[in-house]
Amino acid sequence: DAKTTQPNSMESNEEEPVHLPCNHSTISGTDYIHWYRQLPSQGPEYVIHGLTSNVNNRMASLAIAEDRKSSTLILHRATLRDAAVYYCILTAGANNLFFGTGTRLTVIP
Amino acid sequence: NAGVTQTPKFRVLKTGQSMTLLCAQDMNHEYMYWYRQDPGMGLRLIHYSVGEGTTAKGEVPDGYNVSRLKKQNFLLGLESAAPSQTSVYFCASTPLRWVRGGIFTDTQYFGPGTRLTVL
Repeated sequence: DAKTTQPNSMESNEEEPVHLPCNHSTISGTDYIHWYRQLPSQGPEYVIHGLTSNVNNRMASLAIAEDRKSSTLILHRATLRDAAVYYCILTAGANNLFFGTGTRLTVIP
Repeated sequence: NAGVTQTPKFRVLKTGQSMTLLCAQDMNHEYMYWYRQDPGMGLRLIHYSVGEGTTAKGEVPDGYNVSRLKKQNFLLGLESAAPSQTSVYFCASTPLRWVRGGIFTDTQYFGPGTRLTVL
């Protein structure tokens, strides 16, 4: 199964943009890149996903490198509610979601 | 829609006791999953189901059994609980979505979790 590499932790000041990186050098052509986040004491929630092109939604943007070996989740204006663990996951089927340990984002007021 | 619900929210067991965790979803999703999350760790897949009456092993299936008798329910059983099974258990579901070239796993919707302590 293709795996991802993320920094253990990052900090951001409130209302500033945050760029969360993810490396996935062994990604295959059929792998989608998903991002989930887990708020304290809650289950993970979907943030965004993409295949090849950059994606935007109301929560975030996803920038995918041209060779697809890395991607970046962009939170345009971090709020205190964005403090969570962010997981970058590759999916190409029903049973191969590997969450890893993710990046713990701390937002500083 | 209630989404994905889990019962119970908390449970304390003694070593050797058995219990069943219930996951229910009202979104008519085909796929359902059970994960466990240990402190400071990511989620690990225990078992999953691609449809009613079918189940399969995930990354860490030992010590657990599952059943999917109805499409909306996915049960996780511990026959003889051990302290190593102390964890937070999350259930998730996802619809089956076909794209060109194969099945695309859509967004997973997670339940709120069950915190299990085995003494």
